[in-house]
Amino acid sequence: AQSVTQPDIHITVSEGASLELRCNYSYGATPYLFWYVQSPGQGLQLLLKYFSGDTLVQGIKGFEAEFKRSQSSFNLRKPSVHWSDAAEYFCAVYYGGSQGNLIFGKGTKLSVKP
Amino acid sequence: DAGVIQSPRHEVTEMGQEVTLRCKPISGHNSLFWYRQTMMRGLELLIYFNNNVPIDDSGMPEDRFSAKMPNASFSTLKIQPSEPRDSAVYFCASSPAESSYNEQFFGPGTRLTVL
Repeated sequence: AQSVTQPDIHITVSEGASLELRCNYSYGATPYLFWYVQSPGQGLQLLLKYFSGDTLVQGIKGFEAEFKRSQSSFNLRKPSVHWSDAAEYFCAVYYGGSQGNLIFGKGTKLSVKP
Repeated sequence: DAGVIQSPRHEVTEMGQEVTLRCKPISGHNSLFWYRQTMMRGLELLIYFNNNVPIDDSGMPEDRFSAKMPNASFSTLKIQPSEPRDSAVYFCASSPAESSYNEQFFGPGTRLTVL
């Protein structure tokens, strides 16, 4: 079955440190990949997306993600975390077909310590 | 541009009462999605519409849940009667017609508490 795995439920980093959030997906075909961020009490905001082309994609708020087909991964990175980045991050994958087939990971909660 | 609009933002009700959640998608988007988010189950798709027509409602948990989209700019999700286990955050999202990549834009959500 198609699935998305975010292995880290909760991550804490110090402000100014680098960040990498992991996302792995199942299935062999190249899907369309998304990262969303959810700040407390807010809806989901799209950070970045990958459809094709350059495997390193840039998003808003200084985030980037790299698609690695060999590892079925789409990890989110930021070189220097700010306190305002504390939020929950969701990886989502669309394999095509039914529009209802956008599959979300369980999310990774990011805490930032001063 | 206005994003997806949901109302109310918070709803507290008692068990057995009817609850109606509302959504206005982004103008020009032809697909609309209702999701439920809980700690236990994460983000679950309940139902989605394409051009105002329900396409897949397999995620609707029970007959107590119903959704309508009478026109391109409005949708409702109704729970009747509500139960405490329905407490969750309900999100509406919309997607543009030209997007074959299913890029969805989310509203702020409605936090429902059923006592």
